[in-house]
Amino acid sequence: DTEVTQTPKHLVMGMTNKKSLKCEQHMGHRAMYWYKQKAKKPPELMFVYSYEKLSINESVPSRFSPECPNSSLLNLHLHALQPEDSALYLCASSQDRGPGYWQPQHFGDGTRLSIL
Amino acid sequence: AQSVAQPEDQVNVAEGNPLTVKCTYSVSGNPYLFWYVQYPNRGLQFLLKYITGDNLVKGSYGFEAEFNKSQTSFHLKKPSALVSDSALYFCAVRDGRNNDMRFGAGTRLTVKP
Repeated sequence: DTEVTQTPKHLVMGMTNKKSLKCEQHMGHRAMYWYKQKAKKPPELMFVYSYEKLSINESVPSRFSPECPNSSLLNLHLHALQPEDSALYLCASSQDRGPGYWQPQHFGDGTRLSIL
Repeated sequence: AQSVAQPEDQVNVAEGNPLTVKCTYSVSGNPYLFWYVQYPNRGLQFLLKYITGDNLVKGSYGFEAEFNKSQTSFHLKKPSALVSDSALYFCAVRDGRNNDMRFGAGTRLTVKP
């Protein structure tokens, strides 16, 4: 069992739909991440939140909109996606500062997204 | 920029034999290196890390990694492979300036009975 929970596990949506991916952790981590992973490829960083503030945006198209409502939750809002956006979307968390800064990121099992 | 490279797309070993998955790094400053494993339809699971100290790092599930500064390598090893070790393995480096984690391309390990 992972300590980072992502919902839904699978999502199929049309290019005109609006949907959201959700991520939750209760480890007290103050850094949270969204990654995109294509099959047999490494995860690609999309966004980083540090203390609920967006600290890194890796030039992601505006059809992806992240939100961090509190220190335990991270959302990714999706709108007008393209077929090439089909991928596994992974959420991760880690300690942000202090002695635990170099601790690893903890990953959820992801949401498998398919765009029709 | 910090980066890691995994020179092998695929590694095949027989069950019971030792395994090595290779990783080399390029960093400015001190390297903060990690190994993760990914099973099908799962997220990445942390195996071990090197921050400082002993060059031989022990991790989960019997894995270990050897940090070699002169060769800028951080190879993952296990003395006796199991079929259940078959998975996708990623080496990663942490950027000290921010929270960024950069992953290698990944190595698919297949352990045959």
